[in-house]
Parts: sequence; C-alpha cells; structure tokens
Amino acid sequence: AQSVTQLGSHVSVSEGALVLLRCNYSSSVPPYLFWYVQYPNQGLQLLLKYTSAATLVKGINGFEAEFKKSETSFHLTKPSAHMSDAAEYFCAVSKSSGDKLTFGTGTRLAVRP
Amino acid sequence: NAGVTQTPKFRVLKTGQSMTLLCAQDMNHEYMYWYRQDPGMGLRLIHYSVGEGTTAKGEVPDGYNVSRLKKQNFLLGLESAAPSQTSVYFCASSYLGRGDTQYFGPGTRLTVL
Repeated sequence: AQSVTQLGSHVSVSEGALVLLRCNYSSSVPPYLFWYVQYPNQGLQLLLKYTSAATLVKGINGFEAEFKKSETSFHLTKPSAHMSDAAEYFCAVSKSSGDKLTFGTGTRLAVRP
Repeated sequence: NAGVTQTPKFRVLKTGQSMTLLCAQDMNHEYMYWYRQDPGMGLRLIHYSVGEGTTAKGEVPDGYNVSRLKKQNFLLGLESAAPSQTSVYFCASSYLGRGDTQYFGPGTRLTVL
C-alpha cells in the first residue's frame, strides 16, 4: 500500500525566505502525487499534482514541486514566502486515478514578518 | 458553479443524539467522499461513493452511515453521537476516480458534548 510522510509538522519562515516543505512517498508503482493547501477554517484546495509527465510541476501562487524517483520525494518549494502563504499543506499519493488517495498528516507553515 | 457545499457549517450535539450532514456538488462528479480531520492525524476517509446508489467503507466507518440517493448529494449520518466524533468533517468529490484530484467543501465543525 502506498504511504506518504511529511517531515516537520510545523515550519516557520521569514517573509521573503525560501519555503521548503518535505514529502516522501512509498509506492509499488509510479505514483500520482498531489499537494493541497488548507487556509484557516477552509477546505483543502489543490496546489499542484504530478501524474508522470514533467518531473517539475508548477502550481498556483508560485509554488512548485519536483518529483525525484531516486529519492522517493516530492518536496514543495516557493522562492519567496508571503504572509498569505501561512496555511497547512498536505501531500497525498495514489497509484492511479482509480486507486485510493492517501494523505500525509500535514505541515503547518507560519510566515514571520 | 458553487463546487462542493456542506450543510451545516457548525453543530453541537449531546451524546446519543443523531444528525445528518449534507454534501452537494454541482460538477457532475461520480465519486464523492466523507473525511474527518483531527489535529495531528491528517484526513481520514470515513465512507465514499463511486456513483449514485453506491457506498463503500473507508478507514474509519464505525459509527457513521451514508447514502447517495442522487448523484449530486452525499449524506453522512451519525445515529448516536459520541464525544469521539467531535471533529471537522469534509466532503469531497472527484471526476475520474478516487486517485484523481479531489475537490473539497468548506467543512462542518461538529462538537459532541
């Protein structure tokens, strides 16, 4: 069964600093990988997804993630953090569109002025 | 398009009471889901549906029942609420399958006293 691990339940960065949120997955087949964002008191919304096309995936709000098969990783990055990026971020994995989606436990990002 | 909507937004129940949460989507999606979100545990799938008239158990189905009488609606019922069911409940839907992009509602915050 596939699984996903998000390293660091809380990450704090200064405004303007690099954002790096880590996600490692395990899957017996090439996975579909997703990053979702949850702003306070809202539902999750899709940031970006990887489905075996380009390994560098660009998403909304300036975020991107790189699929690295050799490292079984799909880390989320943004060059310069904004205060509005403060939220909880979830990585998720599935084996295919027909298989179940498994979520990580989330990383809460705080942005300091 | 409203996307995925949930009713109610907040609810307080006493132990033993029953209630139904309503989820509606206007995207003509076949697949619908109910999750619960608890601190430090990420999202856990309660039940899901792969089409009108179908339901299936997820990871944590005990104490919940669901129905999908119409394609656009997915109801989650608690027959006898317990304090352990205090949580935030999210409904989601997807088009191609369970591993496809899921679209989430805004959530229902339920407290069981």
